[in-house]
Amino acid sequence: NAGVTQTPKFQVLKTGQSMTLQCAQDMNHEYMSWYRQDPGMGLRLIHYSVGAGITDQGEVPNGYNVSRSTTEDFPLRLLSAAPSQTSVYFCASSWQQNTGELFFGEGSRLTVL
Amino acid sequence: SQQGEEDPQALSIQEGENATMNCSYKTSINNLQWYRQNSGRGLVHLILIRSNEREKHSGRLRVTLDTSKKSSSLLITASRAADTASYFCATGSNDYKLSFGAGTTVTVRA
Repeated sequence: NAGVTQTPKFQVLKTGQSMTLQCAQDMNHEYMSWYRQDPGMGLRLIHYSVGAGITDQGEVPNGYNVSRSTTEDFPLRLLSAAPSQTSVYFCASSWQQNTGELFFGEGSRLTVL
Repeated sequence: SQQGEEDPQALSIQEGENATMNCSYKTSINNLQWYRQNSGRGLVHLILIRSNEREKHSGRLRVTLDTSKKSSSLLITASRAADTASYFCATGSNDYKLSFGAGTTVTVRA
């Protein structure tokens, strides 16, 4: 099993550009989530999903969109990147729908110029 | 906003010593979890303790939970160089959102 796979690992964008961070898991987990990690601030929840077709907002959803068309994939879209979105993004999944153990990907480091 | 706050922010110990870090939180929870993050990597789950449990062990890890004080501690015994990492507590409630603190950076000196 590969676990949780995130692509790309690194990305540099210009302000206003759009992009999608990909996340895939092969553990048949119903719950998936996206966090961003900034220095000194820990991880903050952006969006989460409790199953295919179901998504909801986390703590910092503005500027990000998600969709969940399959159990395996949970892409995160930045429609118009801003410098404030420079961060490391982590995708995580869980076999439990409600606050169980999370399995994390290796992260995607995004820089917005 | 963050639910959990770790203390201290950073900790430096000698190999073989014990490391203790604390986590305080604000609202009621149904579980509290600890994660480790090595530099440049994703987080790895260490241990989960439920709100009706007071203490849990896993190998060299010991976690306590005091719901009356809204606090938890993580003890790593007989530390090794490989324990050098950041450690995060995360609190879970009945809202599908696991909330993380800012972490404690642990350095184990050889």
